[in-house]
Amino acid sequence: DGGITQSPKYLFRKEGQNVTLSCEQNLNHDAMYWYRQDPGQGLRLIYYSQIVNDFQKGDIAEGYSVSREKKESFPLTVTSAQKNPTAFYLCASSPSGAPTEAFFGQGTRLTVV
Amino acid sequence: KNEVEQSPQNLTAQEGEFITINCSYSVGISALHWLQQHPGGGIVSLFMLSSGKKKHGRLIATINIQEKHSSLHITASHPRDSAVYICAVIISGSRLTFGEGTQLTVNP
Repeated sequence: DGGITQSPKYLFRKEGQNVTLSCEQNLNHDAMYWYRQDPGQGLRLIYYSQIVNDFQKGDIAEGYSVSREKKESFPLTVTSAQKNPTAFYLCASSPSGAPTEAFFGQGTRLTVV
Repeated sequence: KNEVEQSPQNLTAQEGEFITINCSYSVGISALHWLQQHPGGGIVSLFMLSSGKKKHGRLIATINIQEKHSSLHITASHPRDSAVYICAVIISGSRLTFGEGTQLTVNP
């Protein structure tokens, strides 16, 4: 079955450590997105990529980095520069630059202690 | 002020009730999504609308582009409908802008 896989579902890290969240899709979608969700707030865009080897900052990119070396994969690294990294992170993809269809992963809940 | 506003923020209903969740936006859009997020966190796209009305099972979504408003209706609600319902709009290019979500609880 086609879909988006995020791993792991739960992740714990010590403060000051970098951590990488995985997002893989087998939908052959060009565009991929990373969102952050905090209680009581809508999803906010961290980074997005419309094509392999290219990506753009979203609204809250500070403290995060991404890569898009393969069409299927769009990993997100939460660096030690991110002031408040504990959150729920969602990955999404769409067939082209315009998200007329939006497919989401199951999310990764990151807790930094 | 958010570009996308949902109401109500929280909604509790009894099984069988007709439910309406509203979404208003303040800018021109090319399309609007209704999404469902279950307690585990994963999100499922329910509808994508650019005009008119769509129906899928007990779910109905409508949009009025002139009034910048969309509604999601659930007929004959069931406890399994309990979830967070999120409205998201495409304002420009490829980016979605999200509402804060409506937490729906349907009691048996």
